[in-house]
Amino acid sequence: GAVVSQHPSRVICKSGTSVKIECRSLDFQATTMFWYRQFPKQSLMLMATSNEGSKATYEQGVEKDKFLINHASLTLSTLTVTSAHPEDSSFYICSYSSGRDYLQETQYFGPGTRLLVL
Amino acid sequence: AQSVSQHNHHVILSEAASLELGCNYSYGGTVNLFWYVQYPGQHLQLLLKYFSGDPLVKGIKGFEAEFIKSKFSFNLRKPSVQWSDTAEYFCAVNPGSSASKIIFGSGTRLSIRP
Repeated sequence: GAVVSQHPSRVICKSGTSVKIECRSLDFQATTMFWYRQFPKQSLMLMATSNEGSKATYEQGVEKDKFLINHASLTLSTLTVTSAHPEDSSFYICSYSSGRDYLQETQYFGPGTRLLVL
Repeated sequence: AQSVSQHNHHVILSEAASLELGCNYSYGGTVNLFWYVQYPGQHLQLLLKYFSGDPLVKGIKGFEAEFIKSKFSFNLRKPSVQWSDTAEYFCAVNPGSSASKIIFGSGTRLSIRP
């Protein structure tokens, strides 16, 4: 299966600062990727879907100006949490889609980034 | 509202016991179904998936799941669990109307007593 990495794995920051999380596909090129957020003891909630070279599609309730997504290449996507606040503390997970035909594809997940905003 | 439901939040079993985790979804039409597992401290891994064909799907590590369309269910089973099966299990659905989007259930924590 595909290998997906995220950096950093853990970050602690002060309220009001911005944090950038990188997601890399290590062994294949992915045109579509997803960012999820997982609160403690809860499920993954899809935040946004992005396609390489175009703007991300955000889920309802997700602030696009707060969670900036850049998918500039087929192997790298970044999520920037701007002006982070304590309520943004969460586990952020990226995933890549494995194929072009959505009816037969599988997503491969990164290890996640734990963000703690003080 | 469209949703994925996992009724058991925490299941505790002894080794060698049989396992069945429930999953129901509310989407109509064509769906793709998945079970993902998250071992402690690790990332999500695909356990098994159903796209079409035989509704009884075999996955890794002895897991299987059965798609019952009339019941909108995709329950996960394993005849004999091991301590190493301790993990969080997530059922997920890709609605056919939403390309690539996967909706996750709330997860079931499985604890196996050695």
